[in-house]
Amino acid sequence: NAGVMQNPRHLVRRRGQEARLRCSPMKGHSHVYWYRQLPEEGLKFMVYLQKENIIDESGMPKERFSAEFPKEGPSILRIQQVVRGDSAAYFCASSAKPLDTQYFGPGTRLTVL
Amino acid sequence: DAKTTQPPSMDCAEGRAANLPCNHSTISGNEYVYWYRQIHSQGPQYIIHGLKNNETNEMASLIITEDRKSSTLILPHATLRDTAVYYCIVSLAGGGSNYKLTFGKGTLLTVNP
Repeated sequence: NAGVMQNPRHLVRRRGQEARLRCSPMKGHSHVYWYRQLPEEGLKFMVYLQKENIIDESGMPKERFSAEFPKEGPSILRIQQVVRGDSAAYFCASSAKPLDTQYFGPGTRLTVL
Repeated sequence: DAKTTQPPSMDCAEGRAANLPCNHSTISGNEYVYWYRQIHSQGPQYIIHGLKNNETNEMASLIITEDRKSSTLILPHATLRDTAVYYCIVSLAGGGSNYKLTFGKGTLLTVNP
């Protein structure tokens, strides 16, 4: 029962470096959603992707953040030139169809020094 | 913004039923009620969802009032491992564009020995 997988589980970066977070959806799922959880806050939607397409990136900061979900391989959330405020837990979820139940991965905890 | 209201915290004795309430007075006819939980910063775990009728699965039961303005999640025999933050979310399913799950502050359920 392979669920949603994320790696790395913990990532430490210095200010100005790049962070790459990976998400492999559940088998048979082609819809991926990224959420961010800042310390002591609830999860906030960032971006929704289907294979090779960004459907909705309205929750993603306009600068430094990008996401992709290539035809082959995992979905990638990329944060360039990280700042301390990017420190958070980043969760991805997947679903089989749009608006189906979303199943979440264990998250990647990013710490920016 | 979250369209649900939940108590910030609840306690329950181990082995007893835990009844978690949620108000969603502005729910529309095609919105589902979803419940997720998050155990100590792990990824949110899907529990159950429903539209009008009461639902039951291996984890919990969901009771939705006839006017659909409130619901109750029931964990029939709470264990210490059920200690978590429980989120009640209203979301469209099967149509529309509301795939962005909105996580409020949820209810911290503490199961005591």
